[in-house]
Amino acid sequence: EIHLAQSGAEVKKPGESLKISCKGSGYSFSSYWIDWVRQVPGKGLEWMGNIYVADSDTKYSPSFQGRVTISVDKSNSTAYLQWSKVKASDTGTYYCARRISRYNYGLGYWGQGTLVTVSS
Amino acid sequence: EVVLTQSPGTLSLSPGERATLSCRTSQTIDSSHLIWYRQTPGQAPRLLIYGATSRATDIPDRFGGYGSGTDFTLTISRLEPEDFAVYYCQYYGTSPPFTFGQGTKLEI
Repeated sequence: EIHLAQSGAEVKKPGESLKISCKGSGYSFSSYWIDWVRQVPGKGLEWMGNIYVADSDTKYSPSFQGRVTISVDKSNSTAYLQWSKVKASDTGTYYCARRISRYNYGLGYWGQGTLVTVSS
Repeated sequence: EVVLTQSPGTLSLSPGERATLSCRTSQTIDSSHLIWYRQTPGQAPRLLIYGATSRATDIPDRFGGYGSGTDFTLTISRLEPEDFAVYYCQYYGTSPPFTFGQGTKLEI
């Protein structure tokens, strides 16, 4: 069974660093892209960026370029999303997701989400 | 960047009725790049339709995706209680960013 397991909820103060994770299992982790999607409380979905695990090719939405870093550790089948300095506006739920197949578009597998709260 | 505009913002219907949700893109896209999701409160989104018309695994045939070019539609015939949720369309293709529409809330 394909599964994406995300790290637990985080509470941070503005200016702190943060790294959340997404561990894949049940498939060949290196053969797929991992996408990250943000959802601010009460709002819609925002595509942040993705990474191709095999070669770490990374794409970012202009809205998030320079604000976050997406990375991957193939040896641990884990993708990461990190901030050097979080802001209150980074509060939200962050999902990792994988396409349904290598030949069809659409995010068919999702992690359970990581709630990030940034507050002084 | 492809901008997706969903309408209506909120749709009020009753169980058993038919729902029609619209997604319009700011430029012509390949139909294989148009995706629909459903999200219930507190849950991750669930893939419903990919390639504009293909139902994902275990999605009942009450859900139908249609359209091409810049105009796409999701129809749900015979609404069930679990269908009252928020629906998003997404452009997911070859040129990021892979943007989402703002969502349509389907309420009783």
